[in-house]
Amino acid sequence: GAGVSQSPRYKVAKRGQDVALRCDPISGHVSLFWYQQALGQGPEFLTYFQNEAQLDKSGLPSDRFFAERPEGSVSTLKIQRTQQEDSAVYLCASSLKTGDTEAFFGQGTRLTVV
Amino acid sequence: GNSVTQMEGPVTLSEEAFLTINCTYTATGYPSLFWYVQYPGEGLQLLLKATKADDKGSNKGFEATYRKETTSFHLEKGSVQVSDSAVYFCALLSSGGYQKVTFGTGTKLQVIP
Repeated sequence: GAGVSQSPRYKVAKRGQDVALRCDPISGHVSLFWYQQALGQGPEFLTYFQNEAQLDKSGLPSDRFFAERPEGSVSTLKIQRTQQEDSAVYLCASSLKTGDTEAFFGQGTRLTVV
Repeated sequence: GNSVTQMEGPVTLSEEAFLTINCTYTATGYPSLFWYVQYPGEGLQLLLKATKADDKGSNKGFEATYRKETTSFHLEKGSVQVSDSAVYFCALLSSGGYQKVTFGTGTKLQVIP
């Protein structure tokens, strides 16, 4: 596609529910990033993939968060047993190659845990 | 660790006013610096960037100069328009390795006719 696509755009989950957020990066982009943006804050790094390899997951806030990119294209961020503090916008970004100084962001998925 | 500090908003300006949004950073090495913009209901877009000291990034009438001596990257525009209303994020990318971007908290700009 022309840009980074994320789905769903909005997700309401009951506390304790599991959710899966999808990111479709720009075709051919090697690098993929997930960020979490709390209300009124800047995005915070969660995890990074180079192709299918998850090279950095230091930003994942707990072991309830899990990300994968099994074929080096589409990525899924899964949150198990959601908590209210997980409510945020989850942004995905991709770049053509490692070390690029520009990443392209999707519109994000707004997760609300009630 | 790396950090970015930018002025708190919201900033409200009349159309054609001069805009400055301050941004300072802390980083090791020689980071690249960015301004991203987020229009209502849209994703983050790169507005401009500078990759080394004294570089000036510019786009759509916005400018920012990479000042290593003051660790700053202030965003300026000479004459804002209503369509510039958005949230602006200052960000940095550490030198070397992959691009783990560190963002500021964002400054909301509202331009009134």
